[in-house]
Amino acid sequence: EAGVTQFPSHSVIEKGQTVTLRCDPISGHDNLYWYRRVMGKEIKFLLHFVKESKQDESGMPNNRFLAERTGGTYSTLKVQPAELEDSGVYFCASSQDLQEGETQYFGPGTRLLVL
Amino acid sequence: AQSVSQHNHHVILSEAASLELGCNYSYGGTVNLFWYVQYPGQHLQLLLKYFSGDPLVKGIKGFEAEFIKSKFSFNLRKPSVQWSDTAEYFCAVNLRYSSASKIIFGSGTRLSIRP
Repeated sequence: EAGVTQFPSHSVIEKGQTVTLRCDPISGHDNLYWYRRVMGKEIKFLLHFVKESKQDESGMPNNRFLAERTGGTYSTLKVQPAELEDSGVYFCASSQDLQEGETQYFGPGTRLLVL
Repeated sequence: AQSVSQHNHHVILSEAASLELGCNYSYGGTVNLFWYVQYPGQHLQLLLKYFSGDPLVKGIKGFEAEFIKSKFSFNLRKPSVQWSDTAEYFCAVNLRYSSASKIIFGSGTRLSIRP
């Protein structure tokens, strides 16, 4: 069974440009999450999708970040325009259901560097 | 606010030494607790988890953790470490509420094993 995949693995862009990150969850997983780790800090929650619906987007830093999950399969996270402080590793995770003991499975992350 | 504290940022041990990584959480409700590990160049993997039952949980690669509710702790242990245990270790708590879920991570502990 394929795990969570993310694309690209690395992205280097200039301040003011736009970047779109993609996440493909494990097949059949309704729950999809985005997290971010800024250099030297802890991994922080960004948002949670159940199928195509945003259940919790309380961790999104500001309106320069837009996450979508059209059709309830893969998700994209767009940063527009990117700022220097957006640099970090963006992780995606998925889980099957929200029952007790839910386990989130993580992708390899996308390393974003904004110059 | 809910939080997870990991006591050590960087731990250096020799092979065959015993390991204990401290973790305390701040959350008054029912908790699901996790330890994730990230080996160099790899993605976050689940090491072990606790959600109910025996507070001493065993994970992969000889790791175990003990949930002590009265101390709000979930320390990770291994009796004899190997060079291959060099990695970053994250303690985490899963908060589930209504129909949403998110993981709160500690800041991570980098473990270096001297061969």
